[in-house]
Amino acid sequence: AQSVTQLDSQVPVFEEAPVELRCNYSSSVSVYLFWYVQYPNQGLQLLLKYLSGSTLVKGINGFEAEFNKSQTSFHLRKPSVHISDTAEYFCAVSPFPPPALNFGKGTSLLVTP
Amino acid sequence: EAGVTQFPSHSVIEKGQTVTLRCDPISGHDNLYWYRRVMGKEIKFLLHFVKESKQDESGMPNNRFLAERTGGTYSTLKVQPAELEDSGVYFCASSKDGAYEQYFGPGTRLTVT
Repeated sequence: AQSVTQLDSQVPVFEEAPVELRCNYSSSVSVYLFWYVQYPNQGLQLLLKYLSGSTLVKGINGFEAEFNKSQTSFHLRKPSVHISDTAEYFCAVSPFPPPALNFGKGTSLLVTP
Repeated sequence: EAGVTQFPSHSVIEKGQTVTLRCDPISGHDNLYWYRRVMGKEIKFLLHFVKESKQDESGMPNNRFLAERTGGTYSTLKVQPAELEDSGVYFCASSKDGAYEQYFGPGTRLTVT
């Protein structure tokens, strides 16, 4: 079985500041890793995914994440956030081959002027 | 291309009543998933359809939940009778055969009073 821990439930940050949302996972098998974002009153949208290859993955809206196998982490970063990045962010893992997703509890990112 | 749609967006019912949630996946997506998020908890997998067949229903909480997918198109999730602990947001997602990315609907917020 796989599990995901998102270490921060809420992250407040000022506009144009950098941000890192942390995600650790545990699994006895190889996994695929995902970050999803949920904007208010919308469904979950895929930000980025790691399947294989380069450990630095770039996604939409300027986000990127780095897969660290030794630390079993997949932290999400953005060098400069915008007000519009205010949303809830979910880290998820899926075993190979991928059936269902196992999600973390989510991190609420609040960007203020 | 239309996204995943879910109906209703909100439902408030009394304990003991029956509720049916509907999900229309993206056209051509053979895989359909149901997830649930109880307040403050992770998004949890409920079940997975491949076309009209249940591939994995290990996440279904109990036999008060019944999911169907008629003709491999839309899916319904019936809760009968509803209990207080069934309150939460029910998400539906779909994906193409062999694809890793799941596309999520906006969710149905179910409140059982």
